[in-house]
Amino acid sequence: RKEVEQDPGPFNVPEGATVAFNCTYSNSASQSFFWYRQDCRKEPKLLMSVYSSGNEDGRFTAQLNRASQYISLLIRDSKLSDSATYLCVVPLSGGYNKLIFGAGTRLAVHP
Amino acid sequence: DAGVIQSPRHEVTEMGQEVTLRCKPISGHNSLFWYRQTMMRGLELLIYFNNNVPIDDSGMPEDRFSAKMPNASFSTLKIQPSEPRDSAVYFCASSLGPTNEKLFFGSGTQLSVL
Repeated sequence: RKEVEQDPGPFNVPEGATVAFNCTYSNSASQSFFWYRQDCRKEPKLLMSVYSSGNEDGRFTAQLNRASQYISLLIRDSKLSDSATYLCVVPLSGGYNKLIFGAGTRLAVHP
Repeated sequence: DAGVIQSPRHEVTEMGQEVTLRCKPISGHNSLFWYRQTMMRGLELLIYFNNNVPIDDSGMPEDRFSAKMPNASFSTLKIQPSEPRDSAVYFCASSLGPTNEKLFFGSGTQLSVL
């Protein structure tokens, strides 16, 4: 099993739609999780951190299911500007923040 | 505040040539990371430093790759000799410290080896 796995998509949704991405991870000892956003030809940028069962920030909600070892990202009321690749990120244990990035899920929001 | 600064933004070179990528982390950040991104393999961690000391270089693909961090404000990633399969976007990132997991990425260097 890969350390971090994501559905590559693309997810094509109309403006205003609700869309959810899932990410599974293999290291059951991981304590914190992240979603990064990467626009085309740009660098990744932190979108949300998930330290407990979940986190909400405006239209974005991240949820964690430790028993099943997956995290999800929910985007409500999608905007054209949400079009990007969303990267699931899991740190490996060991005292240093060695972050493992998933391959990313591509989202395209259309008018 | 300036973010992570990488240079050059683009590099086109011929197979066999030496390539040096440069990175200036955010001032005050103690951890620095080099990542490589390709369509096939996504973002791969090559090496990371903490307080200028290399902590884990297990991601460096082979001996042709080397990285240094002579001081807290500068790091280099060198490929010698370069090969076409090294073509990728190379990102440098920094964070406050080893247990701070928020990474700030530079704009990356697009490397093309012909």
